Amino acid sequence: TQLLEQSPQFLSIQEGENLTVYCNSSSVFSSLQWYRQEPGEGPVLLVTVVTGGEVKKLKRLTFQFGDARKDSSLHITAAQPGDTGLYLCAGQANAGGTSYGKLTFGQGTILTVHP
Amino acid sequence: NAGVTQTPKFQVLKTGQSMTLQCAQDMNHEYMSWYRQDPGMGLRLIHYSVGAGITDQGEVPNGYNVSRSTTEDFPLRLLSAAPSQTSVYFCASSYKGGVTEAFFGQGTRLTVV
Repeated sequence: TQLLEQSPQFLSIQEGENLTVYCNSSSVFSSLQWYRQEPGEGPVLLVTVVTGGEVKKLKRLTFQFGDARKDSSLHITAAQPGDTGLYLCAGQANAGGTSYGKLTFGQGTILTVHP
Repeated sequence: NAGVTQTPKFQVLKTGQSMTLQCAQDMNHEYMSWYRQDPGMGLRLIHYSVGAGITDQGEVPNGYNVSRSTTEDFPLRLLSAAPSQTSVYFCASSYKGGVTEAFFGQGTRLTVV
């Protein structure tokens, strides 16, 4: 069974601060996705990283995939109250060429940004 | 676009009762899956399907059944509800392929008393 350890579980910061969320595993994943979830809603995809060492930027959010494709991080610069939510990392692992849509999720990070 | 639709949104069951959570998608996705979300545990895969007539077990399948008679629908059946099945359930769908985005429904919050 592949596991993804996400940390921290809770993060409470002031508007304007920077933060990093980590997602680590002992297993190799073919790709790593980050989702954001609002209360009462399902997760929504933010980004997918597929290449070891890959870095993707989405406005104030920077996503990195580790060289060995076992870990990933999400960095938010100058956090805003609108960034508040649950952030989830999810790994896809190929089995015979496809993941069949199956995702392995981390435990999630609840981020609260105070004005 | 409706995307992935789950019904009901809330449900309370008594221990031992059975029920079916409905999931429908209108994006013609081949892959569909069911997850449960519990505090501090992220989402865990219950069952998944790669196409009509084909289903398989995920990480936590015990106590749940699924079937996929059409591409659009993927219902999840609780055979005899237990308090341990109190959770939020999410249905997801995605295109067939190597790396694809999963689209999630709004979830069903189930309480078993």
